[in-house]
Amino acid sequence: DTEVTQTPKHLVMGMTNKKSLKCEQHMGHRAMYWYKQKAKKPPELMFVYSYEKLSINESVPSRFSPECPNSSLLNLHLHALQPEDSALYLCASSQRRGGVNTEAFFGQGTRLTVV
Amino acid sequence: AQTVTQSQPEMSVQEAETVTLSCTYDTSESDYYLFWYKQPPSRQMILVIRQEAYKQQNATENRFSVNFQKAAKSFSLKISDSQLGDAAMYFCAYRSPNTNAGKSTFGDGTTLTVKP
Repeated sequence: DTEVTQTPKHLVMGMTNKKSLKCEQHMGHRAMYWYKQKAKKPPELMFVYSYEKLSINESVPSRFSPECPNSSLLNLHLHALQPEDSALYLCASSQRRGGVNTEAFFGQGTRLTVV
Repeated sequence: AQTVTQSQPEMSVQEAETVTLSCTYDTSESDYYLFWYKQPPSRQMILVIRQEAYKQQNATENRFSVNFQKAAKSFSLKISDSQLGDAAMYFCAYRSPNTNAGKSTFGDGTTLTVKP
């Protein structure tokens, strides 16, 4: 299994809603990532989990709350989002080889629209 | 901090022809990883090819190959026998082995159009 699976594929939410994005991988990777991507732009790193612990938070607003319940799952909880948060949210994972996290494998993303 | 520059926002190629996408980077590290990712309209970022800086041999994957010039800090992607399915946005990425989390730096991307 070489897949990173993200659900849902599309999400429309109001500014007062609470929703969650889910990411799952069964490759045994111990690093997992959330990225935000605007159209025609590169992905921007939001969070990194390493061995289920949050290791990087790129100064992301608190309305985005990540969670890593176990080594295969990564969630992103959303609350009180703004229209400018509309974007493609990508999850990725990578394995450690020789003590180094190597290439990231990406999911198909969740297209989020905030209305 | 590392930077990655893709100087070609858009490129086009005729089907079956060859095209080269440019990428340059800036780093003070001697060991690192470089990647090319493809992102078609279906959205998923797909790893095309990877290169480890300590390896002098250029990586190849079927119709995809790189020209890695470490001294010049250049990492171009050559696509041979271009196919319609190669149409996508291509991102060059740098990854340092010296961060525990393996953070990547991406270029701004090159949109490749393949003409039938």
